Amino acid sequence: IAGITQAPTSQILAAGRRMTLRCTQDMRHNAMYWYRQDLGLGLRLIHYSNTAGTTGKGEVPDGYSVSRANTDDFPLTLASAVPSQTSVYFCASSANLGINEQFFGPGTRLTVL
Amino acid sequence: DQQVKQNSPSLSVQEGRISILNCDYTNSMFDYFLWYKKYPAEGPTFLISISSIKDKNEDGRFTVFLNKSAKHLSLHIVPSQPGDSAVYFCAAGVSHTGGFKTIFGAGTRLFVKA
Repeated sequence: IAGITQAPTSQILAAGRRMTLRCTQDMRHNAMYWYRQDLGLGLRLIHYSNTAGTTGKGEVPDGYSVSRANTDDFPLTLASAVPSQTSVYFCASSANLGINEQFFGPGTRLTVL
Repeated sequence: DQQVKQNSPSLSVQEGRISILNCDYTNSMFDYFLWYKKYPAEGPTFLISISSIKDKNEDGRFTVFLNKSAKHLSLHIVPSQPGDSAVYFCAAGVSHTGGFKTIFGAGTRLFVKA
């Protein structure tokens, strides 16, 4: 079934640890995105990628990094996790960067203690 | 400062009646608007969209209305069904030099009572 997968489903992490959230899509979409969802704040864009090999900063990029080595994968890395990064993280993709419908993964619930 | 606001955190409606979810925005450059629906433990799914050149778009039980002068859009669900109970996110998009930006509202949780 075509779509987006995210791993892990949930994770509890000690502050200061490094963590990579994985995201894979099989729709051959050019654009991919990482959002975090926090109560009362909706979905906020962390980083995005227009196409393989290019990335850009979103609304809340600090403390996060991404890479886009190929079309399908778009991992999000927290180099040194802090409690304020406790959130639900959603990966999404769209055919192209622009005003397009985005397809979301099921999310990763991350708790940083 | 939130550019896209959904001022009602929750809404409760009786099955069969109309649900109206509202969204306000501040940036007049937004030229495309989308609604997403989210069930617990799932990612958001696209529901309906509207371009700024239109003031209404309809898809089955779902209709989105756009009032550009008031910077306001609304999602109407008629008739409401229990399966519509979910969180609804309004999103606004603008194309700008060097990229694209979509801003999401905080969401409104809809409860449809049987």
